[in-house]
Amino acid sequence: DVKVTQSSRYLVKRTGEKVFLECVQDMDHENMFWYRQDPGLGLRLIYFSYDVKMKEKGDIPEGYSVSREKKERFSLILESASTNQTSMYLCASTPLTGLGPGANVLTFGAGSRLTVL
Amino acid sequence: GQNIDQPTEMTATEGAIVQINCTYQTSGFNGLFWYQQHAGEAPTFLSYNVLDGLEEKGRFSSFLSRSKGYSYLLLKELQMKDSASYLCAVGDSNYQLIWGAGTKLIIKP
Repeated sequence: DVKVTQSSRYLVKRTGEKVFLECVQDMDHENMFWYRQDPGLGLRLIYFSYDVKMKEKGDIPEGYSVSREKKERFSLILESASTNQTSMYLCASTPLTGLGPGANVLTFGAGSRLTVL
Repeated sequence: GQNIDQPTEMTATEGAIVQINCTYQTSGFNGLFWYQQHAGEAPTFLSYNVLDGLEEKGRFSSFLSRSKGYSYLLLKELQMKDSASYLCAVGDSNYQLIWGAGTKLIIKP
């Protein structure tokens, strides 16, 4: 089975701190995604990447950046954390893009719950 | 705009049947997905519909009507472990997923 591992399950940071959320997948998937999940809202896409060193903005990229130096690793960076970034962050991957469930089924990591004080 | 609607919360009894509805308005359509998410855990894939009709997978079935922008997830013989949130998501014209807010299903003995 594909495994997506997020390095931290729970983090508490202070306003203004730089925050790194790491995600690693072990099945050679092409695509990787960062979402945030907040109560009462659907998952919102922050950034995604189709290949090494490539990144695309999602729906809510403001205040975030990403890095994909290796195929298996996709990092989310909060340059200066703010209280409105307190959330659950979910990393996910898919093998391809296109029709069919095999291409588009997301495999998620366990999530990183970030609290910014 | 793009929109996915599903009920916020539903309650059902162990052993019964429950239907969770999802309606959508998206720019383009490239499949509809259902995911299950237990509290504090990652979402896991349940089902995928791209053509109209019913897809059955054990106790779970998912139905799609593209002309009506409508899907439902049917859960039979409910078990306590089915208590979870159920997320509906639609692939748009760029194959990006648009997500509903999820339906929290509470199973009572």
